[in-house]
Amino acid sequence: DIQMTQSPASLSASLGETVTIQCQASEDIYSGLAWYQQKPGKSPQLLIYGASSLQDGVPSRFSGSGSGTQYSLKISSMQTEDEGVYFCQQGLKYPFTFGSGTKLEIK
Amino acid sequence: QVQLQQSGAELTKPGSSVKISCKASGYTFTSYDISWIKQRPGQALEWIGAINPGSGGTGYNEKFKGKATLTVDKSSSTAFMQLSSLTPEDTAVYYCAREDYGYAPDWGQGVMVTVSS
Repeated sequence: DIQMTQSPASLSASLGETVTIQCQASEDIYSGLAWYQQKPGKSPQLLIYGASSLQDGVPSRFSGSGSGTQYSLKISSMQTEDEGVYFCQQGLKYPFTFGSGTKLEIK
Repeated sequence: QVQLQQSGAELTKPGSSVKISCKASGYTFTSYDISWIKQRPGQALEWIGAINPGSGGTGYNEKFKGKATLTVDKSSSTAFMQLSSLTPEDTAVYYCAREDYGYAPDWGQGVMVTVSS
């Protein structure tokens, strides 16, 4: 199985700050990576797919980058509504696997 | 718009089975796989498996083989997951999701399954 290592486990950011979350795959996943945001008591929501494609309706302050085994999610200007837990997921091969999550809070 | 409506919360006893449903609407049901995902309280997401509603073909995470069985009813655009031989470790929220080239753009609201004696 492909292991997804996500960091940091948690972080706090001020309004307007730029935030970056990292995800490392145990093997090359050829940009087969997605990022999700989950708020308490809610289902995850897809933010980014294909490592860098923005899902419809997602604010442009979210962006994804990376290749091979290293990927990152950037929030260019932290907003209150961006609080939540973020997960990466590889969609290259079964079984799909998720990172352990990053809890993002407002400082 | 795409909607995945899941069945209600379940409270079950150890050793029993439970079958939860996921009714799809707003798209052609047979055109996209349905994935099932487990999330224990405060924990990360685990992919259980997926089913192709058109063919009925399935793919499972080895960890959940023998635990989860995925089926569909094309006539009602509904996917099902049966969980068997339940233990407290199966207590979790279970999501269904429409899968699109390895990603999940649409999710059900989740079903809380509680296993307790």
